[in-house]
Amino acid sequence: NSKVIQTPRYLVKGQGQKAKMRCIPEKGHPVVFWYQQNKNNEFKFLINFQNQEVLQQIDMTEKRFSAECPSNSPCSLEIQSSEAGDSALYLCASSRGHQDTQYFGPGTRLLVL
Amino acid sequence: GDKVKQSPSALSLQEGTNSALRCNFSIAATTVQWFLQNPRGSLMNLFYLVPGTKENGRLKSAFDSKESYSTLHIRDAQLEDSGTYFCAAEAGNSGGSNYKLTFGKGTLLTVTP
Repeated sequence: NSKVIQTPRYLVKGQGQKAKMRCIPEKGHPVVFWYQQNKNNEFKFLINFQNQEVLQQIDMTEKRFSAECPSNSPCSLEIQSSEAGDSALYLCASSRGHQDTQYFGPGTRLLVL
Repeated sequence: GDKVKQSPSALSLQEGTNSALRCNFSIAATTVQWFLQNPRGSLMNLFYLVPGTKENGRLKSAFDSKESYSTLHIRDAQLEDSGTYFCAAEAGNSGGSNYKLTFGKGTLLTVTP
């Protein structure tokens, strides 16, 4: 179904530590998204890119989260100083563009102790 | 309130029976996607819809943008249909949605023998 690759699958960090996860979008998909899914099944959009440019990001992402999608390298999402509330499944998706199917990777499950 | 309201939140079906899941939108949804999430967290694409209807095997989905809802019909439910179903909408507006999806909170479907 989806060819989006996410690593690592599981990540365990202590509070205050950095947490970094990576995503390789499907070939030919210039748009990349990051979403956070919490244990209550609530999805939160974090940031998206078209090629290397940020299209939109939420406030939380601007403050403690950093993300990039360099050319010829995996996209990444990094939490600078992890908090317990960041424990969640982080999902990366890619798409050909506007009003097109988004294909999701298997996610990185982050646990902040 | 919830921008995408999904119902029911949980559903138990006997093998071989039929049912329908529903999403109501309080955003101006222009496209809808339906996903099935397995226990490991992977989101499998089921349908991508513009207003209209699609069918794939035992699944059929409809999206009515004027009445702001979408449905997913499951016919002859099988054990492997068990999992959490999510709908997600892309909203169009004059400023552009930047392609992000707004998700419902899911329907946990359990199919029993």
